[in-house]
Amino acid sequence: KNQVEQSPQSLIILEGKNCTLQCNYTVSPFSNLRWYKQDTGRGPVSLTIMTFSENTKSNGRYTATLDADTKQSSLHITASQLSDSASYICVVSVNTNAGKSTFGDGTTLTVKP
Amino acid sequence: DARVTQTPRHKVTEMGQEVTMRCQPILGHNTVFWYRQTMMQGLELLAYFRNRAPLDDSGMPKDRFSAEMPDATLATLKIQPSEPRDSAVYFCASGLVPGPSNQPQHFGDGTRLSIL
Repeated sequence: KNQVEQSPQSLIILEGKNCTLQCNYTVSPFSNLRWYKQDTGRGPVSLTIMTFSENTKSNGRYTATLDADTKQSSLHITASQLSDSASYICVVSVNTNAGKSTFGDGTTLTVKP
Repeated sequence: DARVTQTPRHKVTEMGQEVTMRCQPILGHNTVFWYRQTMMQGLELLAYFRNRAPLDDSGMPKDRFSAEMPDATLATLKIQPSEPRDSAVYFCASGLVPGPSNQPQHFGDGTRLSIL
């Protein structure tokens, strides 16, 4: 069964600190992995998309890594800001038909002043 | 920026009533998705359309849920009759598939549905 597991479930950090969120998956055959940010009361917004051949991708202070051999991804947030407080969702697709995706349960990040 | 628009943003109704949720996808996108999000289940895919044709609705309880795309600018999700267990946030997303570099899905801000 295709699964995506994220850790930690929740995380609290101080403003300005860095943090790393983890995503492990068993989805096969792999097509791409996406990280989304979801603010409270809003829809998810795409941060990064990585295909099999990519092992790192950055979007501002967000850097995602992918190890397709171990089926692990991480999302690193640098110099966190209060606005980074949100849920971060890892999504893995099995083919280019984007509807066939498996969603993780998300990591809830709280950044405190 | 182009956005996916969902209406209504909030809906409270009594069980047994019909509920219709609407979505205007981003112009030019050929794929539309309906998701349901709850605290217990996270995001679940209910159905999706490609070029207005339903491709997969296996995630949807078919006895009470129906999804349609009457035209390229409107997707609807109906629940009839509604039940308290349908209470959730329903998201619509659109995308362009196939597209360059695996384009992301763009989500609306959801319809928060409460069935009493």
